[in-house]
Amino acid sequence: GAGVSQSPSNKVTEKGKDVELRCDPISGHTALYWYRQRLGQGLEFLIYFQGNSAPDKSGLPSDRFSAERTGESVSTLTIQRTQQEDSAVYLCASSFGTNGSPLHFGNGTRLTVT
Amino acid sequence: ILNVEQSPQSLHVQEGDSTNFTCSFPSSNFYALHWYRWETAKSPEALFVMTLNGDEKKKGRISATLNTKEGYSYLYIKGSQPEDSATYLCASIGSSNTGKLIFGQGTTLQVKP
Repeated sequence: GAGVSQSPSNKVTEKGKDVELRCDPISGHTALYWYRQRLGQGLEFLIYFQGNSAPDKSGLPSDRFSAERTGESVSTLTIQRTQQEDSAVYLCASSFGTNGSPLHFGNGTRLTVT
Repeated sequence: ILNVEQSPQSLHVQEGDSTNFTCSFPSSNFYALHWYRWETAKSPEALFVMTLNGDEKKKGRISATLNTKEGYSYLYIKGSQPEDSATYLCASIGSSNTGKLIFGQGTTLQVKP
């Protein structure tokens, strides 16, 4: 079946511009996660959704970052007024639920802020 | 804050060697421990999810153990092959942070033919 799909796969943007990253999870997966990996670093938790609700937004680096999920399906991660330190690979993952189910990852969006 | 630590950071072994690496996590409020394999140019792939103290899981030549009382998990690879070369990630969820899965920095394994 279809896996987790992320778009775009690559995004180059100028500092100060807004960007929107999209994630289409596996159908039926109620949990959805966003992570990012900056160069040379590990996977950094950003936010997760259970259904359309985000119980924990503590990983969002600043108020320039926001995320939403609708229809217990598609999620968008928006970064306003991008900065060079936002350059990273942004990974989305989904699972049947939190706690015990393995995550299925998308291929990521590579964001470069120039 | 939930800190998950992995060691070593990187490992180089010869084909046929057996190897293991460690994941440590806070033992209080533990709920589940995940292991993933992340190959270059691919996305992370789940290996195991473990929840019970003393749990052991096996998938082919790869196995994992879990000690929730002392807060560590070992991943073992028996008879390493070049295709095992990847970064191995562990991640933990604490019961008080339901759903918040925190990853370690990973152990990068290189298997030389």
